[in-house]
Amino acid sequence: GDSVTQMEGPVTLSEEAFLTINCTYTATGYPSLFWYVQYPGEGLQLLLKATKADDKGSNKGFEATYRKETTSFHLEKGSVQVSDSAVYFCALRHGGSNYKLTFGKGTLLTVNP
Amino acid sequence: NAGVTQTPKFQVLKTGQSMTLQCAQDMNHEYMSWYRQDPGMGLRLIHYSVGAGITDQGEVPNGYNVSRSTTEDFPLRLLSAAPSQTSVYFCASSYVPDRARNTEAFFGQGTRLTVV
Repeated sequence: GDSVTQMEGPVTLSEEAFLTINCTYTATGYPSLFWYVQYPGEGLQLLLKATKADDKGSNKGFEATYRKETTSFHLEKGSVQVSDSAVYFCALRHGGSNYKLTFGKGTLLTVNP
Repeated sequence: NAGVTQTPKFQVLKTGQSMTLQCAQDMNHEYMSWYRQDPGMGLRLIHYSVGAGITDQGEVPNGYNVSRSTTEDFPLRLLSAAPSQTSVYFCASSYVPDRARNTEAFFGQGTRLTVV
């Protein structure tokens, strides 16, 4: 079945540091890939997505590229801010009988001033 | 737009009690689903629905029932609460295109349930 493996963390960075959160997946066919973010006490929000190989998703300074050859979708940001502190989830979804999102376990990011 | 609304936000139950978690969306989405979030486990699918009158089981359905009488509402029922059902529950909705691609899932703010 489908699975997503992501760096578990927690990750602690200083403001303006470079961020990478690794994500790899196992799936049949050609899934769409997503990064969701969960701020404290809130639900999940879509951060960015990519639907086919070599697509780059980007939003709020975050980027991730769909790499089919390495089955990866690593999240990067060049300069993190305190407001980026949250839990980040990598996920995949494709057509099938239940259209479900398959999530990684989440990575807690804390950015210190 | 309200998006996806879940109630209640917090709930404490005694073992054996039943309750219903409410979920409503105002985006006319066909697809609705319930997930539970547990530490170190990510989110796991409980039940889902692809339209009114159609529901099916996800990966962890035991102890939960759902129904979908309208497009807007998708309540989750705990039949006889157990401590193992202590978790944070999220409802999500989205469109269902031809092959479920390019579909952002919108999440509610969650219900934190404790079973004692």
